Amino acid sequence: KNEVEQSPQNLTAQEGEFITINCSYSVGISALHWLQQHPGGGIVSLFMLSSGKKKHGRLIATINIQEKHSSLHITASHPRDSAVYICAVRSIQGAQKLVFGQGTRLTINP
Amino acid sequence: ETGVTQTPRHLVMGMTNKKSLKCEQHLGHNAMYWYKQSAKKPLELMFVYNFKEQTENNSVPSRFSPECPNSSHLFLHLHTLQPEDSALYLCASSPGLPGYTFGSGTRLTVV
Repeated sequence: KNEVEQSPQNLTAQEGEFITINCSYSVGISALHWLQQHPGGGIVSLFMLSSGKKKHGRLIATINIQEKHSSLHITASHPRDSAVYICAVRSIQGAQKLVFGQGTRLTINP
Repeated sequence: ETGVTQTPRHLVMGMTNKKSLKCEQHLGHNAMYWYKQSAKKPLELMFVYNFKEQTENNSVPSRFSPECPNSSHLFLHLHTLQPEDSALYLCASSPGLPGYTFGSGTRLTVV
């Protein structure tokens, strides 16, 4: 079992729908990252969280440290949001090392 | 552009070739990383460099040889690779505090 599990693995939705991607982890962490990877391969960092909630435009990320769970929400989804979304945690033991989930492939149809 | 530049973007090499991947950042970050992303697998850490010193080698085979001549440049030298080494190789940098910047990756195909 991976230390970081994401669900769902694949998600297809219509433009405008509210999207939720979940991430559960099993280790003690100092921070959790949400990353976006486009088809060309480049990765963009969306959020880094250690507690609570962050919002950037239509994207919202939340984390519950007690439950070892984080969610990424996209409001008013758009085809340009289509990408792979990756959850990664920075464990307390290996402070510089990120452990990655397997990613969620999101497709937004017009 | 994220501030971390990787070249080449695509590379096809034979199993007997020697090639190098290059990563460059001018963000003033002191830590640089090589990650490997194989099909249908999570990203895997390969190497970590802090202030030009290698601080982590994640049990990577010796056919992958990293080099960090200064805190802005990171290379991954490749020789006698296997087809299963075909993957996307991503470079990242960080300022030591949480917060990563990734490059666009080099897609490597070993034939």
